[in-house]
Amino acid sequence: EVQLVESGGDLVQPGGSLRLSCVASGFTFSNYWMHWVRQAPGKGLVCVSRISSDGSSTRYADSVKGRFTISRDNAKNTLYLQMNSLRAEDTAIYFCARGIYGSYSWFDLWGQGTLVTVSS
Amino acid sequence: DIVMTQSPDSLAVSLGERATINCKSSQSVLYSSSNKNYLAWYQQKPGQPPKLLIYWASTRESGVPDRFSGSGSGTDFTLTISSLQAEDVAVYYCQQYYGTPLTFGGGTKVDIK
Repeated sequence: EVQLVESGGDLVQPGGSLRLSCVASGFTFSNYWMHWVRQAPGKGLVCVSRISSDGSSTRYADSVKGRFTISRDNAKNTLYLQMNSLRAEDTAIYFCARGIYGSYSWFDLWGQGTLVTVSS
Repeated sequence: DIVMTQSPDSLAVSLGERATINCKSSQSVLYSSSNKNYLAWYQQKPGQPPKLLIYWASTRESGVPDRFSGSGSGTDFTLTISSLQAEDVAVYYCQQYYGTPLTFGGGTKVDIK
């Protein structure tokens, strides 16, 4: 079955860190650009970060630049998001998503999401 | 950044009637060399991730019912549900993939009247 499964979300204090993981199965993970998209409670969708198929190119939203790091391990079919210096405004469901058309793409496959709550 | 503005914020339509959602981009998302509009539509039901409905502004994703259709070009786009079914109750988002960062509209909630 073609799917993405996220994990790693948790309740963390402001200033803390978390690492999210997204395990892919059912397709050739190394062929695709991958993205993290977040959704704050009751709000819309925001692209957080993306990474090229070979991991050589990354991009971040201004709101997370310098605090978040996206990476991938194609041997393990896994995408990561290292989140440091977390703030209350980072509270959201974080989805990993597959970009079917390279860097500038729509998302044809989404995980179920993992909830990150930043609160004291 | 390309700002995507959806309207209305919400609408209620009777079962079997037409629902129309609008999406406007702050700059054209039409790539002239390919004549393709870099615009997608998604459906999100409560507690679920978004589901791709349409890409290239009007190409329906495999498995999506043909009551869903997309139209428009340049800066103005429309998602139409030709005959609303109960299972179509959801929030709908447009997304541009013409420029970085990739951006979404604010969403339109569709309910049954």
